[in-house]
Amino acid sequence: DAGITQSPRHKVTETGTPVTLRCHQTENHRYMYWYRQDPGHGLRLIHYSYGVKDTDKGEVSDGYSVSRSKTEDFLLTLESATSSQTSVYFCAITREVGNTIYFGEGSWLTVV
Amino acid sequence: GESVGLHLPTLSVQEGDNSIINCAYSNSASDYFIWYKQESGKGPQFIIDIRSNMDKRQGQRVTVLLNKTVKHLSLQIAATQPGDSAVYFCAERDSNYQLIWGAGTKLIIKP
Repeated sequence: DAGITQSPRHKVTETGTPVTLRCHQTENHRYMYWYRQDPGHGLRLIHYSYGVKDTDKGEVSDGYSVSRSKTEDFLLTLESATSSQTSVYFCAITREVGNTIYFGEGSWLTVV
Repeated sequence: GESVGLHLPTLSVQEGDNSIINCAYSNSASDYFIWYKQESGKGPQFIIDIRSNMDKRQGQRVTVLLNKTVKHLSLQIAATQPGDSAVYFCAERDSNYQLIWGAGTKLIIKP
């Protein structure tokens, strides 16, 4: 598991409610990523972080925000969840950008 | 866990045979390539990687081949086992050091 813990692992929430997913790593890696995975789309990058308080957008960042106040934690927030955000969310880490990245076990989010 | 790919390309292989999973990449400037395996309900796991200055790299029961002329990457799995059933993803690193992911191939092992 490369020292990555995602929480919650499963969540069902209602449209319009805020949701926060947490990624915690014990590897002290600089780079952290949030991906979503949907049938027919593969893995798509939402946001990533290259250090504490340093974040940037990925290809599908609309409707999501992130925060990284500590090296080990990277939070993904859906301010107002929509049904289109029903997905599996994966956190990933890497020591250096573009190198092999290691994934967490995923968080299954259902927005009803 | 849920299926991660309902409409993925699928490869069915007899147990014990060799599997070859193919991937076409898009960017001739990509310099690093990775293969991942994803079992149902789990996150992708690193299998093997290869840099663009190489044509072939071998691991334990797996071999990655890179053909830069036609921008093609393949993963060969020797003596396929039931535990090899999964979705396999290739990824390329572009000139901005970002990983670009393929859609995945589902490998099914027939007993």
